[in-house]
Amino acid sequence: DTGVSQDPRHKITKRGQNVTFRCDPISEHNRLYWYRQTLGQGPEFLTYFQNEAQLEKSRLLSDRFSAERPKGSFSTLEIQRTEQGDSAMYLCASSRFGTVSYEQYFGPGTRLTVT
Amino acid sequence: AQTVTQSQPEMSVQEAETVTLSCTYDTSESDYYLFWYKQPPSRQMILVIRQEAYKQQNATENRFSVNFQKAAKSFSLKISDSQLGDAAMYFCAYRSASSNTGKLIFGQGTTLQVKP
Repeated sequence: DTGVSQDPRHKITKRGQNVTFRCDPISEHNRLYWYRQTLGQGPEFLTYFQNEAQLEKSRLLSDRFSAERPKGSFSTLEIQRTEQGDSAMYLCASSRFGTVSYEQYFGPGTRLTVT
Repeated sequence: AQTVTQSQPEMSVQEAETVTLSCTYDTSESDYYLFWYKQPPSRQMILVIRQEAYKQQNATENRFSVNFQKAAKSFSLKISDSQLGDAAMYFCAYRSASSNTGKLIFGQGTTLQVKP
């Protein structure tokens, strides 16, 4: 078990392009979260999966954003028609249902820069 | 809606000294969890310490301890014998015990500088 991994670590894209990020959670973790962190701020919740089901989406997640978790394993976050305001660190976290406080383990993040 | 506030954007401490980071939160719930996370520069966020709201005893993890004041909705982190490796951004976070998702609500963060 090597922890939560995210790919790519950095992504530079031009405004209007589509981008996709991948998150691989800790293998036995059935809960998966996406957060967005802008410079100097705390992470903000975007969406949550329990196994393959997306059970909650934040109002921050506009129609240009879509997330999937096929077969309850890895997850992808796609941003269509990127805007400069999408520039941020996108963090993935996972946890295991049934642990006392559902401690979340974070990945290293994907830093997106939209030019 | 719950909110978390960290009013100290930056703090500094001399190596081997003690520093306290402040956090206040707002909630109408009685059962919840509070966390402190550490985010070193260019590295992933890790959990430092957690506190269950139903526990009166303050949590302690080695050099890290909290002062949990439920009535005041205050949750400060004390770092004793500060080390250079403690330099990082620290986030206070809240999780509702009744939430089906377990999502975290974070404060704005405090950047801690440790001076040798």
